[in-house]
This record gives sequence, C-alpha cells and structure tokens, in this order.
Amino acid sequence: EPEVTQTPSHQVTQMGQEVILRCVPISNHLYFYWYRQILGQKVEFLVSFYNNEISEKSEIFDDQFSVERPDGSNFTLKIRSTKLEDSAMYFCASTTNPPQETQYFGPGTRLLVL
Amino acid sequence: KNQVEQSPQSLIILEGKNCTLQCNYTVSPFSNLRWYKQDTGRGPVSLTIMTFSENTKSNGRYTATLDADTKQSSLHITASQLSDSASYICVVSLFNDYKLSFGAGTTVTVRA
Repeated sequence: EPEVTQTPSHQVTQMGQEVILRCVPISNHLYFYWYRQILGQKVEFLVSFYNNEISEKSEIFDDQFSVERPDGSNFTLKIRSTKLEDSAMYFCASTTNPPQETQYFGPGTRLLVL
Repeated sequence: KNQVEQSPQSLIILEGKNCTLQCNYTVSPFSNLRWYKQDTGRGPVSLTIMTFSENTKSNGRYTATLDADTKQSSLHITASQLSDSASYICVVSLFNDYKLSFGAGTTVTVRA
C-alpha cells in the first residue's frame, strides 16, 4: 500500500540554524500539507499546498517557514532560523481531493532545537 | 473560533472490554468528521470519515457515530486489544476548506 514517507526521522539542530524537512507524498496525490505537534499537545495545521503554490497557511507559518516542491516527488518544509519553540514533531500529509478524502500522514520528523 | 473538544482525556480498559470516546465540535460550516488513531511517535492513521449526512460508520472493531444537529461524535471500540493502545483523535474539516481542525485526543491504554 502506498504511503507518505519523511526524512529524516529525527533532527537535532542549534538555535538559529536552517533545517529542511523532506516528504515524499503518495504519488497520485495533488494536495500536500505540513502539520506540527509539540510534545503533549494536539496536532496543528501549518500549511497546505496545491498546484505549486500555498493554498492556505496558519498563523504559525510565519516568514521563517517556507515550502517547496522542487521536483515531481518531494515536498519540503524549510525553517530558516530555528527557535527553541520550533521543537516538535512535524508531519507531512497528502490527499487526492480535500476535504472529502482522507489525508494520509507520514511517520513524522522529530525536530529538536537546542 | 472553531473548536474540537474530546473526552475523556485518557482512559484505561482491560483487554476484551469495550469503550466509547466522545467528541464535541463547534466547527462551522461543517464538511466532515474523521477519527484518527495515533500510535506514540507515529503519524495519525485514518479510521473513519463521515459527512454531515452520515450517522454511523464502522471500520472493523471501530464504530463512529455522528449527530450533526448536536455536533457530537463518538468512537466505540469493541473487544479491545492490546494494539488498540494509542491516542484517538477527532478531526473536523470545514466546508470547502483545505485544513483540518484537530482535537487534543483521548489516550487509550489497554491492559491485559
């Protein structure tokens, strides 16, 4: 069964450094998402992406964040200058036809900012 | 503000027993409601998805109900197994919206 994959599974970085989280969505999906989950808290929406542009973003997704689909398979989330409060689990998700269809989530990247 | 509230926050049940989790939402206009299962350190996995016109949907031992009038949903787990230990998250989407609104989840622990 096709699945969303994410790399790396864990990332440790110093405050102020740039990180890039990578995702490979399910191949026939057209809508892509990033969510984050701070330890012990609920999953929060960051951004949705369709047709090579951002379709919606939350207030969390400020100028430090950017997303890109550099090729036909990868979908990336970049944090330009990480802060301590960026430490969280970051999930990528994809779907064929929101909001009716299920979003499939990747296993997540655990980011720790020191 | 659109809210999704779940109860209880956590529960412990014995293997083989049933349990019911609750979800109340204020999301409007409502499109659909989903229940996800999230194992510790993993991404959420979809269990059920219901539109406003559906009252119940089953997926194996999981049965979700929806009352769109009272904006309440429940997830019933039948004959629980140790592998059911996880967080169960109620997720609601707005009509014609791309993003999902997540509840905080109910942590279920099944003990032998």
